[in-house]
Amino acid sequence: AQTVTQSQPEMSVQEAETVTLSCTYDTSESNYYLFWYKQPPSRQMILVIRQEAYKQQNATENRFSVNFQKAAKSFSLKISDSQLGDTAMYFCAFRGGSNYKLTFGKGTLLTVNP
Amino acid sequence: KAGVTQTPRYLIKTRGQQVTLSCSPISGHRSVSWYQQTPGQGLQFLFEYFSETQRNKGNFPGRFSGRQFSNSRSEMNVSTLELGDSALYLCASSFGGANDNEQFFGPGTRLTVL
Repeated sequence: AQTVTQSQPEMSVQEAETVTLSCTYDTSESNYYLFWYKQPPSRQMILVIRQEAYKQQNATENRFSVNFQKAAKSFSLKISDSQLGDTAMYFCAFRGGSNYKLTFGKGTLLTVNP
Repeated sequence: KAGVTQTPRYLIKTRGQQVTLSCSPISGHRSVSWYQQTPGQGLQFLFEYFSETQRNKGNFPGRFSGRQFSNSRSEMNVSTLELGDSALYLCASSFGGANDNEQFFGPGTRLTVL
């Protein structure tokens, strides 16, 4: 069974600074997908960024980028130029290539301070 | 394009009752997944339906069941409610193909069991 671990329950960052959220996972599958989801206080879960395991290049979406280390089974999220609207719970998630369920980490509550 | 909708948004039940939650996916999506979110256990996968068939199932007791209709709308039923069933229930929809790796989440149904 796959497991996803987020070791930082809470983090805070000053507006305009950069912050990195950590995620490690465990799987025996060779084909899989990794995701970071954001859940603001309003509760709507939103996809932030995704990474296909077969791609060596790290995914980037505007201010969000990942550091995907396949051998180490590590998938961290970097948020540059943090904004107040980035305040949310962030979940790291795994999806195996052969099924359609998402396995989530426990989440990291990120607070961006003005 | 309308997003994923869930009804009702809030529900209060008493132990022993049963409840039915509804999820309408994004138009064109054929896969609907259900997740339970609690402070203690985090986000846990319940089941996934694709073209009216249950394709994946999580580790929940048989009191939790679901179904999907021909228009892809899905319902989740919980019978003989227990206090521990109090949670936010999220559904997510996607096209459901093998390479389709983005799930879109609804706002959730907050179930409180008294």
